[in-house]
Amino acid sequence: DTAVSQTPKYLVTQMGNDKSIKCEQNLGHDTMYWYKQDSKKFLKIMFSYNNKELIINETVPNRFSPKSPDKAHLNLHINSLELGDSAVYFCASSQQPWGYGYTFGSGTRLTVV
Amino acid sequence: QQQVKQSPQSLIVQKGGISIINCAYENTAFDYFPWYQQFPGKGPALLIAIRPDVSEKKEGRFTISFNKSAKQFSLHIMDSQPGDSATYFCAASYTGNQFYFGTGTSLTVIP
Repeated sequence: DTAVSQTPKYLVTQMGNDKSIKCEQNLGHDTMYWYKQDSKKFLKIMFSYNNKELIINETVPNRFSPKSPDKAHLNLHINSLELGDSAVYFCASSQQPWGYGYTFGSGTRLTVV
Repeated sequence: QQQVKQSPQSLIVQKGGISIINCAYENTAFDYFPWYQQFPGKGPALLIAIRPDVSEKKEGRFTISFNKSAKQFSLHIMDSQPGDSATYFCAASYTGNQFYFGTGTSLTVIP
């Protein structure tokens, strides 16, 4: 049983397109996150949701919009994709904000061409 | 501003050797210091973590050494194995606040 699952694992798309990445966790955690890992492997927090409410929104272009339909799901929608959006996007979850059991998904590699 | 500085960027160690990765921080409010291990194509996974009330924590071949006065902590991998080849991230946080990750160390263990 995968604890934090993301789909798709790979996503190749053209500039200007709109795409979504889905994340689901079955750990019963209350908090979920989106991270971006660039080509140098640097992990940068993008968003954090606690019980479906946004608690962190780092400096991210407003082309990126998270949506949390329930506390087990956190999706990431990206409008008007740009070359610089190419990266690996990780979903994560924890029981409390930045708390015990912080678990990452296996990532979605987004390539914009 | 990088809250946690990690070195080296890459490390090559012979099988059976000791791998050492260092991290330094400035914010004295940090009270939780985890290390994450990431294999290619996978997400980071918690390896070991320490709180500042102890100077060392050991789990199997992995040890965190913590120096509160120097604001430094390090990961030691004893008897390094090819299966330990991965990217390692240190991180720091203070209760209820976001994790600040280091820039990662790519470890290669040569058979």
